[in-house]
Amino acid sequence: NAGVTQTPKFQVLKTGQSMTLQCAQDMNHNSMYWYRQDPGMGLRLIYYSASEGTTDKGEVPNGYNVSRLNKREFSLRLESAAPSQTSVYFCASTWGDTQYFGPGTRLTVL
Amino acid sequence: GENVEQHPSTLSVQEGDSAVIKCTYSDSASNYFPWYKQELGKRPQLIIDIRSNVGEKKDQRIAVTLNKTAKHFSLHITETQPEDSAVYFCAPTPSGGYNKLIFGAGTRLAVHP
Repeated sequence: NAGVTQTPKFQVLKTGQSMTLQCAQDMNHNSMYWYRQDPGMGLRLIYYSASEGTTDKGEVPNGYNVSRLNKREFSLRLESAAPSQTSVYFCASTWGDTQYFGPGTRLTVL
Repeated sequence: GENVEQHPSTLSVQEGDSAVIKCTYSDSASNYFPWYKQELGKRPQLIIDIRSNVGEKKDQRIAVTLNKTAKHFSLHITETQPEDSAVYFCAPTPSGGYNKLIFGAGTRLAVHP
């Protein structure tokens, strides 16, 4: 099993550009999550999806949209990137209460 | 909403010493208490967890203790080794409330040989 995978690993955007971060898991987990991690800080929940077809806002949803395409895939979209969205983005899925994280996407917005 | 604090924010120990990190929380509905370890440039990974009906849990050199009345739980690492150097996060979780999941800000542990 690959576990949780994310693409791309690195991305540089200019202010105002859009992009989609991809996440997939092959563990048949129902729940999936998107977090951001800023330097010296913990992870903050952006959006989560309890099951296929449902999504809910987390702590910091502004500026982001998500799509739960199917049970495996959960994407995060930045419609108009801003420098404040420079961060490392982690996707996760849950078995029971345990969160399994992807390797992360390092995003820089200039 | 949930208020989560970790102390200390940084911790430096000599190899072989013990390390203790404390996490305090405010949501009395929290009933699952995990600790995650994140090595530099890597993803967070669960190292130990405890549920609200248990006071202590051990796994080799690491242990977690819970005081639900006082709303805090602690990570204990004994006989520290250089590979224990990482950032540790707590994430007290309310039942069914994953949209309310709040991670602590992290504790950077450095173990010196």
